[in-house]
Amino acid sequence: ELKVEQNPLFLSMQEGKNYTIYCNYSTTSDRLYWYRQDPGKSLESLFVLLSNGAVKQEGRLMASLDTKARLSTLHITAAVHDLSATYFCAGGVTGTASKLTFGTGTRLQVTL
Amino acid sequence: GAGVSQSPSNKVTEKGKDVELRCDPISGHTALYWYRQRLGQGLEFLIYFQGNSAPDKSGLPSDRFSAERTGESVSTLTIQRTQQEDSAVYLCASSRKLGGASYNSPLHFGNGTRLTVT
Repeated sequence: ELKVEQNPLFLSMQEGKNYTIYCNYSTTSDRLYWYRQDPGKSLESLFVLLSNGAVKQEGRLMASLDTKARLSTLHITAAVHDLSATYFCAGGVTGTASKLTFGTGTRLQVTL
Repeated sequence: GAGVSQSPSNKVTEKGKDVELRCDPISGHTALYWYRQRLGQGLEFLIYFQGNSAPDKSGLPSDRFSAERTGESVSTLTIQRTQQEDSAVYLCASSRKLGGASYNSPLHFGNGTRLTVT
């Protein structure tokens, strides 16, 4: 069964700084997703990564996937307060139409 | 277009009562998921429907929980004899088929049903 671990669980960072959230998974996964959740809200899809070496960027966020290392990263560049939210990664087992397993989430707080 | 719709948005019930939660997926989406999220926690998988295949019920925490889906439309999650530990936000999500890969598209989440068992 696929297990997904994120770290850190909580991240407090200053505006303007860079940081990376890590998502490790336990078995081969051919699809990796990143979601954002604002307090009291539902989850919003950010990125879909479907192949080794895939890199997607949207604004100050960039996600990448290394299937050999079973690692995905979400890099934040020059953080702004609006990025404060909880970020989840999720993966599915390779070659199956199986359920997505979510990580525990990283709560990001961007301070002035 | 319309997103995933869940009802009710909030439900307060007494311990021991049964509750039924409803999810209307996006039209044409073949996959439908139910997840549970306790306060400040991650998402706990409950059940997954994919087209006409047998549902993956491996996440249902006890036999008090059941879910049904009619074809590729509405799904209902039923919790019988509710307990206080059932209090959580129940999230429904759906995804569509993309080309030959029916399972690669991202999930679209509803706003959830906040269940409080008193």
